[in-house]
Amino acid sequence: QITLKESGPTLVKPTQTLTLTCTFSGFSLSTSGVGVGWIRQPPGKALEWLALIYWDDDKRYSPSLKSRLTITKDTSKSQVVLTMTNMDPVDTATYYCARFGWSGSLHFDYWGQGTLVTVSS
Amino acid sequence: QSALTQPPSASGSPGQSVTISCTGTSSDVGGYNYVSWYQQHPGKAPKLMIYEVSKRPSGVPDRFSGSKSGNTASLTVSGLQAEDEADYYCSSYAGSNNFYVFGTGTKVTVL
Repeated sequence: QITLKESGPTLVKPTQTLTLTCTFSGFSLSTSGVGVGWIRQPPGKALEWLALIYWDDDKRYSPSLKSRLTITKDTSKSQVVLTMTNMDPVDTATYYCARFGWSGSLHFDYWGQGTLVTVSS
Repeated sequence: QSALTQPPSASGSPGQSVTISCTGTSSDVGGYNYVSWYQQHPGKAPKLMIYEVSKRPSGVPDRFSGSKSGNTASLTVSGLQAEDEADYYCSSYAGSNNFYVFGTGTKVTVL
């Protein structure tokens, strides 16, 4: 059974740095071609892809947010961490992590439940 | 990196069909056969419904089908059922620079 779960603060202040952890099970991030990505969704708005890390530590970032994002992995702990600097109220959203790239395809097949992060002073 | 364009809403009666469009560019939808569709019910995580333009994951009813022509992809839901009422998002691989992009989302209402 494949599961992913996001964890982190529910409230951050403007200008602070957000750190989110995705803990997964049922697959390994050492499997060739596999990645884990982050996607966010502001309340009532559309999905937005943020970042992705591959099994071989290749990293991809949304061009519009690249300067603020860092994604890392700990394969032994089955965790992927996303940090986002200089948080602003417009960054208030539900943040999802999801598995990517299984069997060579380019889509997110399993998703976590999401975690709502509110940015407010 | 612009979002793919979807109509805000679509609707149909039970048993009817509804088709949702997803328009991108030659750098994303038109350039790769890596278009996916996700269904999202209120308060829930997105669920993969279609990948690689027209393939269905195991467990997804064959009422859901996908296609692509040029820079526009489409999702068709045939034989609409009440549980199909949800938001639907398309997405596409967008090359090594932009990498991945989602659509603006379509709310499907079953009348």
